[in-house]
Amino acid sequence: EAGVAQSPRYKIIEKRQSVAFWCNPISGHATLYWYQQILGQGPKLLIQFQNNGVVDDSQLPKDRFSAERLKGVDSTLKIQPAKLEDSAVYLCASSSLAGPANKNYGYTFGSGTRLTVV
Amino acid sequence: AQTVTQSQPEMSVQEAETVTLSCTYDTSESDYYLFWYKQPPSRQMILVIRQEAYKQQNATENRFSVNFQKAAKSFSLKISDSQLGDAAMYFCAYRRTNTGNQFYFGTGTSLTVIP
Repeated sequence: EAGVAQSPRYKIIEKRQSVAFWCNPISGHATLYWYQQILGQGPKLLIQFQNNGVVDDSQLPKDRFSAERLKGVDSTLKIQPAKLEDSAVYLCASSSLAGPANKNYGYTFGSGTRLTVV
Repeated sequence: AQTVTQSQPEMSVQEAETVTLSCTYDTSESDYYLFWYKQPPSRQMILVIRQEAYKQQNATENRFSVNFQKAAKSFSLKISDSQLGDAAMYFCAYRRTNTGNQFYFGTGTSLTVIP
């Protein structure tokens, strides 16, 4: 099966500019996640979607970050305006089910977008 | 909140030798999953091995095995017969079973394999 697709692969912007990342999950995967991975750290969840509804966005800086998942398939993560500390890799992941029944399914991660804010 | 700790920022191993990466975690839940992921420079997170907390038997996948000590909340990864392709960042991760499926990751261990 095809993997989780993300674009762009790299992005360099100046602080206070805006940027958007795109993710196409594995076909049929209802759950989609955006993680932020700052250099030297493990990925941290920003937002989780179940179909086109938000399950968890408690760690999303909502004053500057927004995300949507139209029609329960593709997703876009936006940052506006960007700050220097937003420099990170943004990973998208998808899984087939959310909840105990998913215990035998792992995630599939995309290759991420590396954002550099200068 | 769940926390995952990897106390070894960097490790190295001679090719064909064995290395063990350490991980501890903190949780009040009794049922959960633990994972080791490999992240090469391509940034792709690759699942190495998975352990269900309710299972007493340690998981094994070819050259990779874990030592799961539930009472001690310890979950180490052993790589046997290390190969050059094993060089990467390794992340230990915890996942709940009853509230969504987000991962909690450690800070990673960078593994170097010396020819």
